[in-house]
Amino acid sequence: GENVEQHPSTLSVQEGDSAVIKCTYSDSASNYFPWYKQELGKRPQLIIDIRSNVGEKKDQRIAVTLNKTAKHFSLHITETQPEDSAVYFCAAIAYNNNDMRFGAGTRLTVKP
Amino acid sequence: DTEVTQTPKHLVMGMTNKKSLKCEQHMGHRAMYWYKQKAKKPPELMFVYSYEKLSINESVPSRFSPECPNSSLLNLHLHALQPEDSALYLCASSPGLAASYEQYFGPGTRLTVT
Repeated sequence: GENVEQHPSTLSVQEGDSAVIKCTYSDSASNYFPWYKQELGKRPQLIIDIRSNVGEKKDQRIAVTLNKTAKHFSLHITETQPEDSAVYFCAAIAYNNNDMRFGAGTRLTVKP
Repeated sequence: DTEVTQTPKHLVMGMTNKKSLKCEQHMGHRAMYWYKQKAKKPPELMFVYSYEKLSINESVPSRFSPECPNSSLLNLHLHALQPEDSALYLCASSPGLAASYEQYFGPGTRLTVT
């Protein structure tokens, strides 16, 4: 089955700096890679996703890149704000099933 | 309505109790999911229903019993749970196969087994 590894486990940045979170996956059949943000006591919420036919996707301050050959994908947050502080999970899923596997999560702290 | 709702928000139950968690969505989604999330861990998939039929059971103990009475409702029946089953139980839904569509999560039920 799919195995998703995520690094770093914790990340602390100064407000205005950039943050990068990296994930690797093992199943070459995986073709959809969502990123979820989960604030304390809240539900996971999708912030951006990318499919295997695309190398990069951007939405305002958030971008995701995918390297299918190396089986890794990354989340980039620019101009970070204190409200970006949360746990971020990457995930991967293959085109032919419903079994989404999450990375272990990254706790991002943005210091004002 | 673009939300997934879950009841109750909190549940405390003894190891001999029988209780049920309820999840509802009115977005016309045809896939629904149960996840278990322990503190400081990612969500772990438990069950998937696709078109009201169980399509994935991730080797979950039989003390957890899912039910999908119709396309909008998903239940999780609990019986003879153990303290280690204490966790946040998240329901999610998607228009179809998760590989093609975003999963929308409910707020979760925080379960404590005493």
